[in-house]
Amino acid sequence: GAGVSQSPSNKVTEKGKDVELRCDPISGHTALYWYRQSLGQGLEFLIYFQGNSAPDKSGLPSDRFSAERTGGSVSTLTIQRTQQEDSAVYLCASSLAENTEAFFGQGTRLTVV
Amino acid sequence: QKEVEQDPGPLSVPEGAIVSLNCTYSNSAFQYFMWYRQYSRKGPELLMYTYSSGNKEDGRFTAQVDKSSKYISLFIRDSQPSDSATYLCAMSGQRYSTLTFGKGTMLLVSP
Repeated sequence: GAGVSQSPSNKVTEKGKDVELRCDPISGHTALYWYRQSLGQGLEFLIYFQGNSAPDKSGLPSDRFSAERTGGSVSTLTIQRTQQEDSAVYLCASSLAENTEAFFGQGTRLTVV
Repeated sequence: QKEVEQDPGPLSVPEGAIVSLNCTYSNSAFQYFMWYRQYSRKGPELLMYTYSSGNKEDGRFTAQVDKSSKYISLFIRDSQPSDSATYLCAMSGQRYSTLTFGKGTMLLVSP
């Protein structure tokens, strides 16, 4: 597609439920990033995929968070047993390679009630 | 000290003013510098991308990088109300695979 696509755009879930957030990167982009943006905060790095290399998971805040990238394209971020502090906008970005321009999707606004 | 510092604002200017937005950083490994614009409830949009020190101009926007001072700037000439948004600086280095962001500066341009 023309840009990074994320779905859903909004998600309201009950505390304790699991959620899955999807990211479709720009075609041909080998690098894919997940960031979290909380109210009044900057973007917090979560996880990074580059080609077939092992992902950099150093930003995941707890073991309730996981992500996978199938076939080097679509990525899914999963949050298990959601907590209220997980409420944020989850942003996905992709780039042609490491350290090149990263393009962001519109984000998924997650609200945990 | 955070790796990237950015004044959150808001910065309010009249239409037509020259705007200066800045970030400082502490990690000397950073070599790639970007500015993003983010409208309310939208994803960040890449505005400028520069490598190492120097200036880069694109239309009304000029990005400057001073690695010796660990200081980067974005200048907006002839600012317009449509420039009202949050501006995020971001940077990365050879050894790092990810972008480190400032918290963003909110800019308000009044007609």
